[in-house]
Amino acid sequence: NAGVTQTPKFQVLKTGQSMTLQCAQDMNHEYMSWYRQDPGMGLRLIHYSVGAGITDQGEVPNGYNVSRSTTEDFPLRLLSAAPSQTSVYFCASKQGYEAFFGQGTRLTVV
Amino acid sequence: GDSVTQMEGPVTLSEEAFLTINCTYTATGYPSLFWYVQYPGEGLQLLLKATKADDKGSNKGFEATYRKETTSFHLEKGSVQVSDSAVYFCALSPNNAGNMLTFGGGTRLMVKP
Repeated sequence: NAGVTQTPKFQVLKTGQSMTLQCAQDMNHEYMSWYRQDPGMGLRLIHYSVGAGITDQGEVPNGYNVSRSTTEDFPLRLLSAAPSQTSVYFCASKQGYEAFFGQGTRLTVV
Repeated sequence: GDSVTQMEGPVTLSEEAFLTINCTYTATGYPSLFWYVQYPGEGLQLLLKATKADDKGSNKGFEATYRKETTSFHLEKGSVQVSDSAVYFCALSPNNAGNMLTFGGGTRLMVKP
C-alpha cells in the first residue's frame, strides 16, 4: 500500500497564482484533512472531510478550497496565492485513533 | 477551544541520556492524547497514544502517561539514541477515536553521539 501520497513535493508560486495540491490515499479511510506546518506553531487544520461529498472548515481555512468527490482523493486549492501561504502542507487520512500523513508539500509564494 | 502546549526546543542531549518533553493540554471532556514524531523530510508518524486517564502509552522505548489531574502527557525515554533525533508533536483528539487533531508547536530533539 502506498498510504497517503501528496504531489508535488516542492512548489514555487508567484503572488496571485492559483494551484492545486493533490492528495490521495489507498486505505479506504473516510476522514481526510489538510494541515499547514509553520515554525513554532505546530500543525494547524485547514479543511477536513468525513467522507465523499462532505467537507468542512478547520482553524485556518481562508484562501483555500477543498472538494471530496471520491473517498481516495482530497485536493487542496489555493485560489490566489499570497506570501502568507508559504508553508509546508500535510495531508492526512484517519481511521480510528491513528492518522497517516503524506510526506508534505513545501510551498513558497514569492 | 482545545489547545496543546509543549516545551520549546531544541532539546540537545548526548546519546544514552534521559529524555523528557513536557506536554500539557486544555480540553473539555476526556480527550485522547497522542505523540507523533517527524523525521527529517518525512510526514508525521504516530509514536504512542493514551485514550483515558492513567493510561500509559509506550512504543520504541518511549512512554507517556495520561495525567488528568495535571492535564499532562509528558514524553519520556530512558536512553536516547542518535536515531531518535526528530521533531516530536503532542496532540489531542476531543473524543474517543475522534477525527479532529489539535497539535502542539513541536519540540526538536537533537541527540549527539
